[in-house]
Amino acid sequence: EAEVAQSPRYKITEKSQAVAFWCDPISGHATLYWYRQILGQGPELLVQFQDESVVDDSQLPKDRFSAERLKGVDSTLKIQPAELGDSAMYLCASSFDSSGGYSYEQYFGPGTRLTVT
Amino acid sequence: AQRVTQPEKLLSVFKGAPVELKCNYSYSGSPELFWYVQYSRQRLQLLLRHISRESIKGFTADLNKGETSFHLKKPFAQEEDSAMYYCALSWSGYSTLTFGKGTMLLVSP
Repeated sequence: EAEVAQSPRYKITEKSQAVAFWCDPISGHATLYWYRQILGQGPELLVQFQDESVVDDSQLPKDRFSAERLKGVDSTLKIQPAELGDSAMYLCASSFDSSGGYSYEQYFGPGTRLTVT
Repeated sequence: AQRVTQPEKLLSVFKGAPVELKCNYSYSGSPELFWYVQYSRQRLQLLLRHISRESIKGFTADLNKGETSFHLKKPFAQEEDSAMYYCALSWSGYSTLTFGKGTMLLVSP
């Protein structure tokens, strides 16, 4: 069964360093999502792609976070510089084409747990 | 702005007891409501959505627009139901989801 892949699974970095996360969605899924989940909270959307285009990045701290999905397939989320408050689980999800208004099921990856020291 | 509220952080019941996980939402339009579940050491996954009107693993949820609620119910809880449950609302043309903070359900033998 196809699954969303993420790497690394765990990342420890020092404050002010750069960090990057990778996500490979399920083949054929046009919509890709990056979420941040702080301990004790639900997932919060950071950025949503439709193919290679960003359709929602209103909650992405753009001074330090960036995301790209250059060929409309896999995606990278970067933080530079990392801050202590960025410690969280970063989840990637994908779904079939959601541009038509129908909310297809989102399939989640295992997440990357980031610890900033 | 849209918001999803799950008032209980933890719900602890005995096996065989009825379960109701509460979810209230605020949104002025016509939202779609979902329940996602995360079992221990597993990925977050869709449990059910209001438009399908299905019973999944014995769970049902009815959208009550008057009370802006989407409570998840099961008449007889099983130990394998122990998990983290998230209520979520889809509100944009691109099916963006807003999640609640989640409720941990613990079912004891």
